[in-house]
Amino acid sequence: DGGITQSPKYLFRKEGQNVTLSCEQNLNHDAMYWYRQDPGQGLRLIYYSQIVNDFQKGDIAEGYSVSREKKESFPLTVTSAQKNPTAFYLCASRIGDGTEAFFGQGTRLTVV
Amino acid sequence: GENVEQHPSTLSVQEGDSAVIKCTYSDSASNYFPWYKQELGKGPQLIIDIRSNVGEKKDQRIAVTLNKTAKHFSLHITETQPEDSAVYFCAASKPGNTPLVFGKGTRLSVIA
Repeated sequence: DGGITQSPKYLFRKEGQNVTLSCEQNLNHDAMYWYRQDPGQGLRLIYYSQIVNDFQKGDIAEGYSVSREKKESFPLTVTSAQKNPTAFYLCASRIGDGTEAFFGQGTRLTVV
Repeated sequence: GENVEQHPSTLSVQEGDSAVIKCTYSDSASNYFPWYKQELGKGPQLIIDIRSNVGEKKDQRIAVTLNKTAKHFSLHITETQPEDSAVYFCAASKPGNTPLVFGKGTRLSVIA
């Protein structure tokens, strides 16, 4: 089945640690996105990539980093510089302009 | 950049009644307006979308209307059912494969 897969579903991080969230798609989509969701805040854009080996910062990129070495994969690293990382993280992809974005099932990150 | 405002933040309706959620956008260049439904602990899923060359689109109990002059668009759900209870997000994007910008969401509760 074609789709977009995020892992893990739940992730716990100790303060001061970096963690990496995985996002893989087999839809052959060029564009991929990371959003952060907090209660009452909607979906806020962290980073996006329109093509392999290229990515741009979104509205809340501080404390996060990404890579896009393969078309299928767009991992997100939450670094120790992110002061409030506890949130629900959503990855999405779309084939192009004016088309549906497909979302993964999300990763819930909790700092312990 | 684009800004999307969504109202109301919460909405309760009796089963069988209609529900209306409204969004406004700021950038007149935006030309794609999707609506997503998110169930608890899951990623958002597209329920309907509309492009700027169309004023209205309907899919069974769901319809979306777009007023480009006023820069607002609305989701209409008729004959609501308990399974319609979820969080609904509107979004907008501009040409050029730019990311979707989301509203803050509406929590719809359908009371049986």
